[in-house]
Amino acid sequence: AQTVTQSQPEMSVQEAETVTLSCTYDTSESDYYLFWYKQPPSRQMILVIRQEAYKQQNATENRFSVNFQKAAKSFSLKISDSQLGDAAMYFCAYRSHSSGSARQLTFGSGTQLTVLP
Amino acid sequence: GAGVSQTPSNKVTEKGKYVELRCDPISGHTALYWYRQSLGQGPEFLIYFQGTGAADDSGLPNDRFFAVRPEGSVSTLKIQRTERGDSAVYLCASSPGLEAAYEQYFGPGTRLTVT
Repeated sequence: AQTVTQSQPEMSVQEAETVTLSCTYDTSESDYYLFWYKQPPSRQMILVIRQEAYKQQNATENRFSVNFQKAAKSFSLKISDSQLGDAAMYFCAYRSHSSGSARQLTFGSGTQLTVLP
Repeated sequence: GAGVSQTPSNKVTEKGKYVELRCDPISGHTALYWYRQSLGQGPEFLIYFQGTGAADDSGLPNDRFFAVRPEGSVSTLKIQRTERGDSAVYLCASSPGLEAAYEQYFGPGTRLTVT
C-alpha cells in the first residue's frame, strides 16, 4: 500500500515571500501521479498542481512549482510571492497509474499554511 | 457549469440513528468517489463508483456503511447505527472517468456530528 507523509503540520510565511512545503511518499509502483491540493476553511479541495511520475521536468503553475525527486520519493511544493489568499491547509496526494491498480487518492495529513501580512 | 454538490452541508444526529448523505456529481462524470476526513487529518478513501457499480469499496470501515448510485449519477452514502466515531467531514468527488490523469473535482463536503 502507498503512504504519503507530510512532516510539517504548520508553516508560516510573510506575504510576498517564498515558502516550501514538504512531502514524501512510499510506493513500489513506477507509474503514478502526485498532487498538491489546497483546502480553505470552506472545505472544498482545490487542485493546485499535478506531477506525472514519468516526467522528469518539474511541474509549474504560475506561482506554484514542485521539486519532484523520484528516487528519493520526495515531492515538495514551492509557493512564490505568497499572497493572503494562499492561506489554507495543503495536502499532498498520490494516485496510481498502473493497470489494474486502485484509482483513489491517498492523502497526507496536511500542512496548515499561514500567510502573515 | 455547476460543480459537485453535497447535501446537507451539516448534519447533527444522535448516536444509533440512521443518516443519508447525498452527492450530486458534475454532469457527465462517470466516476464518483467518497472520502472521509476526520478532524486535523487528510481525507481517507471509502468507496468509488464507475457508472452504477461500486468498483472498489475496500475503504468502507464496516458493514454499517453502504453507498449506492442507482442511475449512475447521484450517489447516497448511508450510515446505520451511527457512532460518535463516525463524526467527520464526508467528501464526494467526481471525474470524467477512472483514468489516473483525470482530475477529481471535490464537493464542499457534509460535516456529520454524532452526539
